[in-house]
Amino acid sequence: GAVVSQHPSRVICKSGTSVKIECRSLDFQATTMFWYRQFPKQSLMLMATSNEGSKATYEQGVEKDKFLINHASLTLSTLTVTSAHPEDSSFYICSASDSGYSNQPQHFGDGTRLSIL
Amino acid sequence: ILNVEQSPQSLHVQEGDSTNFTCSFPSSNFYALHWYRWETAKSPEALFVMTLNGDEKKKGRISATLNTKEGYSYLYIKGSQPEDSATYLCAFNTNSGGSNYKLTFGKGTLLTVNP
Repeated sequence: GAVVSQHPSRVICKSGTSVKIECRSLDFQATTMFWYRQFPKQSLMLMATSNEGSKATYEQGVEKDKFLINHASLTLSTLTVTSAHPEDSSFYICSASDSGYSNQPQHFGDGTRLSIL
Repeated sequence: ILNVEQSPQSLHVQEGDSTNFTCSFPSSNFYALHWYRWETAKSPEALFVMTLNGDEKKKGRISATLNTKEGYSYLYIKGSQPEDSATYLCAFNTNSGGSNYKLTFGKGTLLTVNP
């Protein structure tokens, strides 16, 4: 149980392109979804937290106009990297929680490797 | 800025060896400590969520302890097997308010078990 599907797994595109990443909870309702970014040899860094039907909460230093998050249903959240540039190249991974409470684990997708040329 | 430190960064053990590694976190404002196992090309898998000082949890050959007063958690693997090879992440829970929570992750410990 608690499967999260993330798509696509790999994206290579030109600078200026917008890229959409989907995160779906397949067998549970995700009250809260989280988006992380990981640069080489660094830890997973939280970018934003989203709740179904409301605006995402972004972490300090993360541009909300650059990284658009939509959590339209209890099973789907999307992250759109708008007008991506080479410095946006990174590993992006989502997770989901069915409760949003600290004593419950997060369930992760497989991640998306984004490369901007 | 909250720091979660994991040590060692990596280690190699022989099949059958027992091993352990450490996660250090701020001892103030503790909510929960999470452990995840992340195998290459897969998604991170939740191992334990620990909330109480002195807590000890076990899952097969893997166990974890928690000391919230001094701010550390140990993960133990007994009789390591090649399939235990993975990066082990710990994450400290900081409550950003309301019922949502956010995790601050360490960089992980990369375990390689040689057959």
